[in-house]
Amino acid sequence: QSVLTQPPSVSGAPGQRVTISCTGSSSNIGAHYDVHWYQQLPGTAPKLLIYANGNRPSGVPDRFSGSKSGTSASLAISGLQAEDEADYYCQSYDSGLSASVFGGGTKLTVL
Amino acid sequence: QLKLQESGPGLVKPSETLSLTCTVSGGSISSSTYYWGWIRQPPGKGLEWIGSVYYSGSTYHNPSLKSRVTISVDTSKNQFSLRLSSVTAADTAVYYCARHLRISAPVDPWGQGTLVTVSS
Repeated sequence: QSVLTQPPSVSGAPGQRVTISCTGSSSNIGAHYDVHWYQQLPGTAPKLLIYANGNRPSGVPDRFSGSKSGTSASLAISGLQAEDEADYYCQSYDSGLSASVFGGGTKLTVL
Repeated sequence: QLKLQESGPGLVKPSETLSLTCTVSGGSISSSTYYWGWIRQPPGKGLEWIGSVYYSGSTYHNPSLKSRVTISVDTSKNQFSLRLSSVTAADTAVYYCARHLRISAPVDPWGQGTLVTVSS
């Protein structure tokens, strides 16, 4: 059971917009710790997609955006493309555990 | 460009100790700016932070693994290492080494990962 909760799967057609939620608690996201998002393509290492809630590293398309409110965060992907099909993970820090924590991951399927 | 590369045995017997090394190239592990960490991913499952080490040798561990984990740094070789004792099949995973600014910071970059299987 992950400290951060993500839906196991989401799907969308090319061109559509999808969102992936990441729900935490008062000891992590709700305690104002930043949320980061990663994209993991099949057979590869995770890649940083969004850092500090809504910032994109250089090279990440602006189709990807992040937001945070209260004890939850969201990743939005607009203009869905076939190459976006991957697993997505959120990450934050939990003060109760004194540990970096990840969500269980969400598999995005492009229909 | 900073690169991280994991190395170590791909097969470990139950109850023995898993040992991995991460070699850093393109930058110095002695930088006071960064932490160097280990993250693992069991086959078909999610990511789990194992722990991190600062260049000074200070370490931070996931409390669920803390008693079995040792992380160390060798600045002369620009490497850091992971030792996980008393392994079981549940420790079978792809192990990644990575860099981050602090424990709550994003992890970037990551090594390519190495699969370690625990089996007799």
